[in-house]
Amino acid sequence: GEDVEQSLFLSVREGDSSVINCTYTDSSSTYLYWYKQEPGAGLQLLTYIFSNMDMKQDQRLTVLLNKKDKHLSLRIADTQTGDSAIYFCAETTDKLIFGTGTRLQVFP
Amino acid sequence: DAGVIQSPRHEVTEMGQEVTLRCKPISGHNSLFWYRQTMMRGLELLIYFNNNVPIDDSGMPEDRFSAKMPNASFSTLKIQPSEPRDSAVYFCASSFSGVETQYFGPGTRLLVL
Repeated sequence: GEDVEQSLFLSVREGDSSVINCTYTDSSSTYLYWYKQEPGAGLQLLTYIFSNMDMKQDQRLTVLLNKKDKHLSLRIADTQTGDSAIYFCAETTDKLIFGTGTRLQVFP
Repeated sequence: DAGVIQSPRHEVTEMGQEVTLRCKPISGHNSLFWYRQTMMRGLELLIYFNNNVPIDDSGMPEDRFSAKMPNASFSTLKIQPSEPRDSAVYFCASSFSGVETQYFGPGTRLLVL
């Protein structure tokens, strides 16, 4: 079945790295995504990785994909207070399946 | 460039009233999606259009919900009659083609009293 799982909460100190984890179930997913949702706002596409890649880096963001374990992670370097939001991973099958979201709280 | 545009941003209505939500996708995008977000159920896909044609409406909760896409630049989601359990944030998203790489609008916050 389709199920994308994430931990619900993550709390980090400003300046530290954040790692948000996600597990998915469909090995045929072609793309995997990370979206960011700030309070009262829509979902912002942060980055994505094609399924034949292991890693993608985009400025402070690093996406790691372990296809064997169906595990996806998002690392945010030098986390800032503006990074506080809910982060959703998503996989594509015949539609976009979202995880439950991880609420990242950054404290000074 | 303008992103996905939704209106209204907030809607408060009474049970039994008709509600119409509107969406303008990104110009050049051929696929459009309507989602609903609630605390209990997270993000749910309601319906998906490709080239103005509904492809997957399996997520539409019941007959009270209907969606149309009369042209490539406009879509509506209608709830008639509305019920308190319809209270949620409704998002519209669009993509160049298909389910991949979707861009979301700011959402419409619906409260049905």
